[in-house]
Amino acid sequence: AQTVTQSQPEMSVQEAETVTLSCTYDTSESDYYLFWYKQPPSRQMILVIRQEAYKQQNATENRFSVNFQKAAKSFSLKISDSQLGDAAMYFCAYRSAMGGDKIIFGKGTRLHILP
Amino acid sequence: GAVVSQHPSWVICKSGTSVKIECRSLDFQATTMFWYRQFPKQSLMLMATSNEGSKATYEQGVEKDKFLINHASLTLSTLTVTSAHPEDSSFYICSARRDYNQPQHFGDGTRLSIL
Repeated sequence: AQTVTQSQPEMSVQEAETVTLSCTYDTSESDYYLFWYKQPPSRQMILVIRQEAYKQQNATENRFSVNFQKAAKSFSLKISDSQLGDAAMYFCAYRSAMGGDKIIFGKGTRLHILP
Repeated sequence: GAVVSQHPSWVICKSGTSVKIECRSLDFQATTMFWYRQFPKQSLMLMATSNEGSKATYEQGVEKDKFLINHASLTLSTLTVTSAHPEDSSFYICSARRDYNQPQHFGDGTRLSIL
């Protein structure tokens, strides 16, 4: 069975600085998707970034980028120029690309932005 | 695009009553919708997956008779918590996606409190 592990329950970063959130996963599959979701206090889950496992190039979305290391099964999220609005719970998630719809979420990392 | 609306956002009811939560995809047709449950400071746990016009597929440990799911159209799925008890109090989130290769888009969630 696949698992997703986020080892940092909480992190803090100074506004305008850069922060990296860690995520590791375990799977025996070769084709899958990885996601980072943001859940602000409003509780809505917002897709931040998505990575297809077959793509070697790391996904980027404006200030958000990932470091995808397939062999190490690592998928970290880097947030550059942190803003107050980035404060939220961040969930790393996995989904198989070979049948099945289930998204497996990590336990989350709460990110605090210090003004 | 890809807006998912969930209603109600918060409901309080007495033990023993049934509660219905609606999930609507507002600007796209959702072939598949998902229902999650989130306990305080926990991650999202998938309860069931529903495809339009067919019976929902429940995750192991989720009571089918307790959590009734209906996906009657491509834009609407409902979750009914039957004979609700205080232990059913939780945050319920739905998501929807257009097709298999598309990401899930999440609703705002429903906070259910059973007295």
